[in-house]
Amino acid sequence: NAGVMQNPRHLVRRRGQEARLRCSPMKGHSHVYWYRQLPEEGLKFMVYLQKENIIDESGMPKERFSAEFPKEGPSILRIQQVVRGDSAAYFCASSPALGGTDTQYFGPGTRLTVL
Amino acid sequence: QKEVEQNSGPLSVPEGAIASLNCTYSDRGSQSFFWYRQYSGKSPELIMFIYSNGDKEDGRFTAQLNKASQYVSLLIRDSQPSDSATYLCAVNGVGSSNTGKLIFGQGTTLQVKP
Repeated sequence: NAGVMQNPRHLVRRRGQEARLRCSPMKGHSHVYWYRQLPEEGLKFMVYLQKENIIDESGMPKERFSAEFPKEGPSILRIQQVVRGDSAAYFCASSPALGGTDTQYFGPGTRLTVL
Repeated sequence: QKEVEQNSGPLSVPEGAIASLNCTYSDRGSQSFFWYRQYSGKSPELIMFIYSNGDKEDGRFTAQLNKASQYVSLLIRDSQPSDSATYLCAVNGVGSSNTGKLIFGQGTTLQVKP
């Protein structure tokens, strides 16, 4: 039973480039959450998606960040025109059904470094 | 006031002792409470979840919830050096919208010394 998959595991970008982070939820899970962990800081919620729908994006920066979870394929977190402050670990989590109380299982994360 | 608060530690205990990790939360509407363990450079790993007041035991771990005091704790019995990690308290259902997002504390670093 494969867990949550994320790729790439490490991503290096220069300032101004685009970063695309991918997440495939656990089999049978239809809810995806993205979190960011800045160096020496806690995990912060970014966005919650179901297939083809953004349910809660209250934690997403207003500019340069977007997320999608298409009908087919993985969820994608996209960061345009990256800046050094975007360097962080980005974790995806999934849950099986209604997100209210279901536990979330985390993927291995993508560590983004912006040069 | 932070929504979820934890003492950052480090909390240092000798091998075989009981480690007690504490967490308080600000929103009385919070419904679900989770403990995750995170080793350095790794992703959070779910240890326990608790929804109801009282104690919940799973092996060496016991989660305790007191909604009246807005307090949740994790006890680790017979602590092992391999338990050395950062323990994250997470709360679901904070605020007016309950979309399932987790609000995390800063984490408590536990060091178990042989």
